[in-house]
Amino acid sequence: DARVTQTPRHKVTEMGQEVTMRCQPILGHNTVFWYRQTMMQGLELLAYFRNRAPLDDSGMPKDRFSAEMPDATLATLKIQPSEPRDSAVYFCASGLVPGTGDYEQYFGPGTRLTVT
Amino acid sequence: AQSVTQLGSHVSVSEGALVLLRCNYSSSVPPYLFWYVQYPNQGLQLLLKYTTGATLVKGINGFEAEFKKSETSFHLTKPSAHMSDAAEYFCAVSERAAGNKLTFGGGTRVLVKP
Repeated sequence: DARVTQTPRHKVTEMGQEVTMRCQPILGHNTVFWYRQTMMQGLELLAYFRNRAPLDDSGMPKDRFSAEMPDATLATLKIQPSEPRDSAVYFCASGLVPGTGDYEQYFGPGTRLTVT
Repeated sequence: AQSVTQLGSHVSVSEGALVLLRCNYSSSVPPYLFWYVQYPNQGLQLLLKYTTGATLVKGINGFEAEFKKSETSFHLTKPSAHMSDAAEYFCAVSERAAGNKLTFGGGTRVLVKP
């Protein structure tokens, strides 16, 4: 049963520390998305990649956030330095474009980040 | 730009009653439309989707939704609520030219009363 995995599932850190979240997309998927979910803002798209190249990162605060895909099996989202307002659940999703009639994004379980 | 509006951030239904969750969208091109469900402390799971063809689509767990272009709506229904339907539901739209990038509504939390 193929699924998106994310690590860590939970992260508590102090303000100013670096945070790295990892995502393993479903094997064969060529598109990876990073979303952030908060009570106030709901689900927001931060960035997404196609064939490991960044297509859109306009939703991401550029001064402290960075997203990369070192290889096809790993996507990372890094926050440096972290701030309390970054506390949220971060979801990774993957999909296959052009679709084969699927067009679905498959979501990971999320990383719950708390910055104190 | 595309947007999604879900009417009602919270809905309470009795077990066995009809579940109706409303979703309206705006899109400059024919959209793909989705409903996702999120159970507590979990990721999002696809309930159903509309891409082309039949405008009434059936999904998992007895849910269905109808795409109405004239009303720019994609409302989600289930004839008889079950306790296990308690969750948060998200409507989302993807413009075909945007390569599967999703824009989500604000979500509707469903409470099922015994």
